[in-house]
Order: sequence, then structure tokens, then C-alpha cells
Amino acid sequence: EDQVTQSPEALRLQEGESSSLNCSYTVSGLRGLFWYRQDPGKGPEFLFTLYSAGEEKEKERLKATLTKKESFLHITAPKPEDSATYLCAVRGYQKVTFGTGTKLQVIP
Amino acid sequence: DTAVSQTPKYLVTQMGNDKSIKCEQNLGHDTMYWYKQDSKKFLKIMFSYNNKELIINETVPNRFSPKSPDKAHLNLHINSLELGDSAVYFCASSSTSGNTIYFGEGSWLTVV
Repeated sequence: EDQVTQSPEALRLQEGESSSLNCSYTVSGLRGLFWYRQDPGKGPEFLFTLYSAGEEKEKERLKATLTKKESFLHITAPKPEDSATYLCAVRGYQKVTFGTGTKLQVIP
Repeated sequence: DTAVSQTPKYLVTQMGNDKSIKCEQNLGHDTMYWYKQDSKKFLKIMFSYNNKELIINETVPNRFSPKSPDKAHLNLHINSLELGDSAVYFCASSSTSGNTIYFGEGSWLTVV
């Protein structure tokens, strides 16, 4: 069965303090790895899709990378508005499996 | 214009009642989903429909019955509600390739 494990569960950063979130996965036939952002009381908001090892995508202060076993979401010089839960998901042959997320808090 | 909209946003009901959550998407997608997010934020797929046909039905009690009248709508009906059904239910949609799934704002169901 496809599995996604995210670490850490929670992360507290000072504004400007860069860090990385980890997503480890096992999947039969990876057809895409997704990163989502979820704010309290909202639905997940799509950030990135990665398809193959070595691929990287960037958006503002966020950069997602992919290897054969894990993905990282790097956050450079975060701001308080980056505070949210970040979800990782993988698409196998039939369905998308989500991790439980990393709750990021950025302190001014 | 909201891409994936679901109603109601909040629902408080008693055990044993029957309730429905409605979902509509205006993205032109042909695949729609229902996900359940529990108190630990774990997002788990319940159902997936492609062109009004059920293609994924995870281990969900028979009390949950999805209905897709057309490609743009996927409703969820729940019979005989139990305390354990309390959760946030998200409707979502994607193209057939499923490369990007767009979520609604969620429906907060509380069973008392």
C-alpha cells in the first residue's frame, strides 16, 4: 500500500530562519508527488507537482525537490504569512495518498 | 468565482439522523472526489467519480452514499449518523490525469 510520512509534525521558525520539510514515500508507480498548503478552516491549496527524481520547482520563498524516496520543501527566509500546514501527497496507479502534514509556525 | 464549492460549511446534527453535503465544480473537470479529514489532519480518500461513474470506493461504511447527477456535481449522503462520523469532508475535482486536485473549502460535520 502507498505510504507518505512527513516530518517534523510541527516546526516553529523565526522570521527569516530558513528550513526544510521532509516527505518520505513508498508508492507503486509514482505518477506525481504533490505539495499543498492548508490554512486553518480552509481546503488544501495546490503548490507544486513533481514527477521524476531530480526535478525542482520554485514559487516565491518555496522550493520543492524530489528524489526516488523523498521530497523536500525548502522555505527560504520565511515570513509569518507562510504559517500553515503543508501537506505532501503521492499519486500511484489509482489514487492519491496524503501525509498528515507539517504544521509550520513563523514567528515575527 | 469559486472553483469547487460545497454546502453546507457547518453542520451539527444528532446521532441517527440522515444528512447530505452538496458539491459543485465549475472547472470543467471530469473527475470528482470526496475526502475525509480527521482530527489529526489525516486526509483520506473516500470516493472518486470519473464522468459520473464510481472508480474508487475505499473502505467506507454503506451508510455513506455518493451520487453524481452530472460531471459537475458530486453529492454525499450519510445515513444513520454516528459520533465517529464527525470530521471535515472535502470535495475535490481534477482532470482525468489527476495531476492537480482542487479542493473545496470543506464541510465541518459534528455529530452529537
